[in-house]
Amino acid sequence: QVQLVESGGGVVQPGRSLRLSCAASGFTFSSYGMHWVRHPPGKGLEWVALIWYDGSIEYYVDSMKGRFTISRDKSKNTLYLQMNSLRAEDTAVYYCARDLEPYSGSPGWVDPWGQGTLVTVSS
Amino acid sequence: EIVLTQSPDTLSLSPGERATLSCRASQSVSSYLAWYQQKPGQAPRLLIYDASNRATGIPARFSGSGSGTDFTLTISSLEPEDFAVYYCQQRSNWPPITFGQGTRLEIK
Repeated sequence: QVQLVESGGGVVQPGRSLRLSCAASGFTFSSYGMHWVRHPPGKGLEWVALIWYDGSIEYYVDSMKGRFTISRDKSKNTLYLQMNSLRAEDTAVYYCARDLEPYSGSPGWVDPWGQGTLVTVSS
Repeated sequence: EIVLTQSPDTLSLSPGERATLSCRASQSVSSYLAWYQQKPGQAPRLLIYDASNRATGIPARFSGSGSGTDFTLTISSLEPEDFAVYYCQQRSNWPPITFGQGTRLEIK
């Protein structure tokens, strides 16, 4: 079965960096676009970034463009999110998720999701 | 950026009742709308995509309808496990992909 397991979360001071990882299994990783979505405490879901199935294209929400970088390693079946210049408002549970369809030229439906990793930005 | 507004914020119903949740887009998203369910402490789960297609394994009591700017998620007869938060999401005009603020479905 499909499994997505996030790691790398924790408590970090404002202005510092953190890298999240997502280990994927149970499907052909290189065939699917992958997303990061976050859930700040007490708020709704917020899409963060998408990387194309072959890694050729990346998209970000504007507020994170230039600070966050999504990447993937097909040899390790792993998705990453490099987060720099972290702010208090970046505090959230970060979910790794797969796009619904393989080789999609028009991705955007997100399923399944990992269980999430909590990032807390605080001094 | 397309803004999705869900209503109501909270819906209080009893098991066996019919639930109707709404999602309105700030501009047309055609049929590029999905619905997700999230239970406390769990990851979201895709219920409906392309406005009316049920995702794999989703019970038939869940249905979606609408196009353009107005969409509805209907749960025909509530089961105890259906009480959760529901989010709509669009992929029509992106980036960014955007979500609504959520509707909490609670037991009356």
